[in-house]
Amino acid sequence: QKEVEQNSGPLSVPEGAIASLNCTYSDRGSQSFFWYRQYSGKSPELIMFIYSNGDKEDGRFTAQLNKASQYVSLLIRDSQPSDSATYLCASTNSGGYQKVTFGTGTKLQVIP
Amino acid sequence: EPEVTQTPSHQVTQMGQEVILRCVPISNHLYFYWYRQILGQKVEFLVSFYNNEISEKSEIFDDQFSVERPDGSNFTLKIRSTKLEDSAMYFCASRDRVANQPQHFGDGTRLSIL
Repeated sequence: QKEVEQNSGPLSVPEGAIASLNCTYSDRGSQSFFWYRQYSGKSPELIMFIYSNGDKEDGRFTAQLNKASQYVSLLIRDSQPSDSATYLCASTNSGGYQKVTFGTGTKLQVIP
Repeated sequence: EPEVTQTPSHQVTQMGQEVILRCVPISNHLYFYWYRQILGQKVEFLVSFYNNEISEKSEIFDDQFSVERPDGSNFTLKIRSTKLEDSAMYFCASRDRVANQPQHFGDGTRLSIL
């Protein structure tokens, strides 16, 4: 069973701090990695995606990928209360149709 | 920005009845997917669809489920005889032809089986 693992949290950080979310995956053939934000009862909303080793930055968000360690992370700088949500780590398989495998999500709480 | 649209937003059905969940993917996308999320659980892959046929399906997607693209815009998920355990959020997603690009998700249909 190909899995994506995340700590379910909750992860609590004060407003303005850096939130660090981590994820590991078991399928070495995974191609691309995604971070989705999901508010309760809503659909996943894409935050970042990465498919090369290293860092990728977009505004307050930085995704990091280490394929050797099978590890993906998301850093949120200057965390805001509106960032409070569940963050889903996901990967696509090596097949052409690229279904997405999701982790269980980490609940982030940003304390004002 | 183009988006994936799903209807209805909430469907309530008696156990044993058939339901059809509808999706309009982004117009130039070629790959289509259905996922489900049971309350409090993770998002699970159901099926992928490309070139008018199923390309991959999960163990969840048994004979009770079917998908169809009846015209150039709609993509439907049918559950033939619903069970209580089919109660979940169902998400449609689509992606364009370029590899490694993210899937875009619709807002979901909440299916409640009574």
